[in-house]
Amino acid sequence: GPKVLQIPSHQIIDMGQMVTLNCDPVSNHLYFYWYKQILGQQMEFLVNFYNGKVMEKSKLFKDQFSVERPDGSYFTLKIQPTALEDSAVYFCASSAQGASNERLFFGHGTKLSVL
Amino acid sequence: AQKVTQTQTSISVVEKTTVTMDCVYETRDSSYFLFWYKQTASGEIVFLIRQDSYKKENATVGHYSLNFQKPKSSIGLIITATQIEDSAVYFCAMREGSANTNKVVFGTGTRLQVLP
Repeated sequence: GPKVLQIPSHQIIDMGQMVTLNCDPVSNHLYFYWYKQILGQQMEFLVNFYNGKVMEKSKLFKDQFSVERPDGSYFTLKIQPTALEDSAVYFCASSAQGASNERLFFGHGTKLSVL
Repeated sequence: AQKVTQTQTSISVVEKTTVTMDCVYETRDSSYFLFWYKQTASGEIVFLIRQDSYKKENATVGHYSLNFQKPKSSIGLIITATQIEDSAVYFCAMREGSANTNKVVFGTGTRLQVLP
């Protein structure tokens, strides 16, 4: 079936450095999302993105976070600078039309470890 | 604001039996959609089943079915004839039908262990 790919699967970084998480969404999908999951707990919504713009963001989407998808390439989540509390698994998801009844397709996640 | 609550942290059942996982939600929207996803040990998140708020019939897909009790804002997941490979964390989720929001809100998950 359709797949969302996330690169890398694991990223280790020193606190204060910049990190970029990459997501290759399902082709022809138009809506993209990032979720944060700590220690296998609740998946918390960070942001959704459509047509080159952030549609919604949560309180977890701090000023140090940014997203973009330049020229239809990877959908990226950048954190600059990173903090210890950013350590988590970040899941990218996409949906075709963003309709309310649509399911999300998730990637396998990128585990971010901030030291 | 939308909210999804799963009070069961962990459940263990013997294989081939039926299990029900609870979920309650909060929303001010008259139209909304409820989803169940499963997260396997590898971390993969898999969509299982969806219930539309305007439908009275409980959704059923394979050995998954839903117990939708709209007056109680409840959407339980029922797995019949459980198998070892059903062991996973199950997340309930909701998306409001309003055009003002597109986000999907998840519950805290219920870990299911199916024992031989």
